[in-house]
Amino acid sequence: DGGITQSPKYLFRKEGQNVTLSCEQNLNHDAMYWYRQDPGQGLRLIYYSQIVNDFQKGDIAEGYSVSREKKESFPLTVTSAQKNPTAFYLCASSISAANQPQHFGDGTRLSIL
Amino acid sequence: QKEVEQDPGPLSVPEGAIVSLNCTYSNSAFQYFMWYRQYSRKGPELLMYTYSSGNKEDGRFTAQVDKSSKYISLFIRDSQPSDSATYLCAMSEGAQKLVFGQGTRLTINP
Repeated sequence: DGGITQSPKYLFRKEGQNVTLSCEQNLNHDAMYWYRQDPGQGLRLIYYSQIVNDFQKGDIAEGYSVSREKKESFPLTVTSAQKNPTAFYLCASSISAANQPQHFGDGTRLSIL
Repeated sequence: QKEVEQDPGPLSVPEGAIVSLNCTYSNSAFQYFMWYRQYSRKGPELLMYTYSSGNKEDGRFTAQVDKSSKYISLFIRDSQPSDSATYLCAMSEGAQKLVFGQGTRLTINP
């Protein structure tokens, strides 16, 4: 079954702690994305990557970091610098750079303890 | 003013009704238009993907794009309770960056 797998489904963060959200895809897609979804605000782009070992900041990158060491994997770290991390985080991928629709995983819900 | 405006609803209609969902936008450079369906606690699922102006039909779903009015619509015919979800419009200029509406929460009542 081809798809995008996000883990864990639920995650809790303590004050001052960094946490990493996993995103793996077996669709052989080149591009991968991280979005944050808050109630009433739609999806906002955090980071995206067009190819391995390359990534760009989105609209709300502050307090987040990413890596893209493998084509299949695009983990997101929510650092302690992100003061309001409670949200639903969605990972997406697309076949290539421009003009291709993005397909999403089922998300990770992050909450503060 | 947001680049993409979408009425958050909630919208409640009886089973079998025709549903009309809409988004307006301000950026005339948008060329690619998408509709996603999102069930509670799940990721968005791509429903329709269109380029430029015109209509596209897929089963019970029809997407319309009117670039002159900067207005896009999704119509659902013969609506079913399983269509109850949040519907998100999204659009782009052609590069990676999608701009999303805030979503419309739809309930189909049996």
